[in-house]
Amino acid sequence: QSVVTQPPSASGTPGQRVTISCSGSTSNTGRNTVNWYQQLPRTAPKLLIYSNDQRPSGVPDRFSGSKSGTSASLAISGLQSEDEADYYCAAWDDSLNAWVFGGGTKLTVL
Amino acid sequence: QVQLQESGPGLVKPSQTLSLTCTVSGGSISSGSYYWSWIRQPAGKGLEWIGRVSITGSTNYNPSLKSRVNVSVDTSKNQFALKLSSVTAADTAVYYCARETSSSWYAVFGYWGQGTLVTVSS
Repeated sequence: QSVVTQPPSASGTPGQRVTISCSGSTSNTGRNTVNWYQQLPRTAPKLLIYSNDQRPSGVPDRFSGSKSGTSASLAISGLQSEDEADYYCAAWDDSLNAWVFGGGTKLTVL
Repeated sequence: QVQLQESGPGLVKPSQTLSLTCTVSGGSISSGSYYWSWIRQPAGKGLEWIGRVSITGSTNYNPSLKSRVNVSVDTSKNQFALKLSSVTAADTAVYYCARETSSSWYAVFGYWGQGTLVTVSS
């Protein structure tokens, strides 16, 4: 059981906006920045958002992140079929002295 | 462009030690302020961070695995390694190596290996 909680699934139709939540505690998401990773089927995870709301070069601006308190969110606007993937949030946990990942959210584009 | 590649046995017997190596290319493992991590993913499940090492040899481990894990670095070979002892079927997973970039205000896994499947079975 993950110390950081994500909904197991999310869905939307092409063009829609979807959000995925990530809820932790003061020792991880509350105190440290949150990163988001996208994992397409049968591939390694790829960095999508870092430091709560920063996009690496090459990531479309349809993807955005935010954080408030101990919760973070990933928003995807203008949903496309190629966005169908698993999404993970992650943060360093100061109490565990370890990285913690959310359980992952499987996004389905209907 | 930095690339990471995992290597090691794909099949390990129960109670034995799982050993994997990650070879870093496109840059020196010794340059920059990086941590080098191992992350695993059982089939159909989420990501689990195992542990990390710096080029100074400093390590951190997942508390749930700490008693069985050792992560080390070999700068002469531009590699870092994972050893996980007393494995059981629950350790069957795809194992990824990754580079963590840290600054004063963020830390992130920017580069990942492609992953290698390790099955624990007799």
